[in-house]
Amino acid sequence: GNSVTQMEGPVTLSEEAFLTINCTYTATGYPSLFWYVQYPGEGLQLLLKATKADDKGSNKGFEATYRKETTSFHLEKGSVQVSDSAVYFCALRFSGSARQLTFGSGTQLTVLP
Amino acid sequence: EPEVTQTPSHQVTQMGQEVILRCVPISNHLYFYWYRQILGQKVEFLVSFYNNEISEKSEIFDDQFSVERPDGSNFTLKIRSTKLEDSAMYFCASSVRDRQNTEAFFGQGTRLTVV
Repeated sequence: GNSVTQMEGPVTLSEEAFLTINCTYTATGYPSLFWYVQYPGEGLQLLLKATKADDKGSNKGFEATYRKETTSFHLEKGSVQVSDSAVYFCALRFSGSARQLTFGSGTQLTVLP
Repeated sequence: EPEVTQTPSHQVTQMGQEVILRCVPISNHLYFYWYRQILGQKVEFLVSFYNNEISEKSEIFDDQFSVERPDGSNFTLKIRSTKLEDSAMYFCASSVRDRQNTEAFFGQGTRLTVV
């Protein structure tokens, strides 16, 4: 079946540091890939997505590239801010029999000033 | 900006009691979902709903769960007889289409605590 494996957290960085959160997936076909973010006290918000191989999703300085050869969708940001502190979820959606979102376990990011 | 709203934000209930979690999806969306997240675990799919019927459900969604769209705006999740292990954050979501490349929009969640 489909699954998503995320880098375990928590991750603590200083402001302006480079961020990578690893995400790899297992799927029987070619899913669409998503990163969702959950800020403290809020719901899940879509951060970015990519729907086919080599697509790059980007938003708010975050980027992730759909790598079919390594089945990965790592999240990166060149310079994090305190306001980026949140939980980040990698997820996939596949057009097969199970069209629901399959989530990774989430990675807690804390950015210190 | 349109958003999915959920009420209440926190619900405490005694084991064996019935609870109803409420959601108002985005108005032009046609597909509705419930997910849950037990503390420290993954966000898990429960059920999807379209055209007034369940289109897909997970193994978690057993006979004690039910969903309903009682009017044109609300989408509810009922748990008939709550168990301690039902304690979790429950997220409602909606999407305009049910295609692979379509994102779902989530509410802020209802934290259910069963005591």
